[in-house]
Amino acid sequence: DIQMTQSPASLSASLGETVSIECLASEGISNDLAWYQQKSGKSPQLLIYAASRLQDGVPSRFSGSGSGTRYSLKISGMQPEDEADYFCQQSYKYPYTFGAGTKLELK
Amino acid sequence: QVKLLQSGAALVKPGASVKMSCKASGYTFTDYWVSWVKQSHGKSLEWIGEIYPNSGATNFNEKFKGKATLTVDKSTSTAYMELSRLTSEDSAIYYCTRRNWELFDYWGQGVMVTVSS
Repeated sequence: DIQMTQSPASLSASLGETVSIECLASEGISNDLAWYQQKSGKSPQLLIYAASRLQDGVPSRFSGSGSGTRYSLKISGMQPEDEADYFCQQSYKYPYTFGAGTKLELK
Repeated sequence: QVKLLQSGAALVKPGASVKMSCKASGYTFTDYWVSWVKQSHGKSLEWIGEIYPNSGATNFNEKFKGKATLTVDKSTSTAYMELSRLTSEDSAIYYCTRRNWELFDYWGQGVMVTVSS
């Protein structure tokens, strides 16, 4: 199985601060990488797919980048509603696998 | 609009089975794979498997073969997952989600399964 190592496990950001979350795949995944946001008590919601494509309706402060085995999610300007858990997920090979998640809090 | 409506929470005894449902609306049910995802301990996500409603074809995470059975009822646009021989390790929230090519674009609200005597 492809292991997805996500970092950091948690972080705290001030209003307007730019934050980045990283995901390292155990092998190349050819940009088959998605990012999800999960708010407390809710289902995950798709933010980014194909490493860098923004899902419809997602604010433009969210962006994704990367290639090969290294990928990142950036939030340009932390907002209160961005407090949530974030997960990366690869769809390059079965079984699809997720990162362990990053808890983002507002400082 | 696309919706996936899942059945309610379940409290089941160890060794028993549980069957949960996921009713799709707002799109052509037979055109998309339906995946199931487990969330344990309030955090980590595991992909269990998926089913293609049009043909009934399935793909599974090896870890869940023998544990999960996936079926569909095309007449009601409903997907089902049955979990068997339940243990405390199966206590979790289970989500159904629509797979659109390589991404999971819509999710159900989740079903909390508690295994306890």
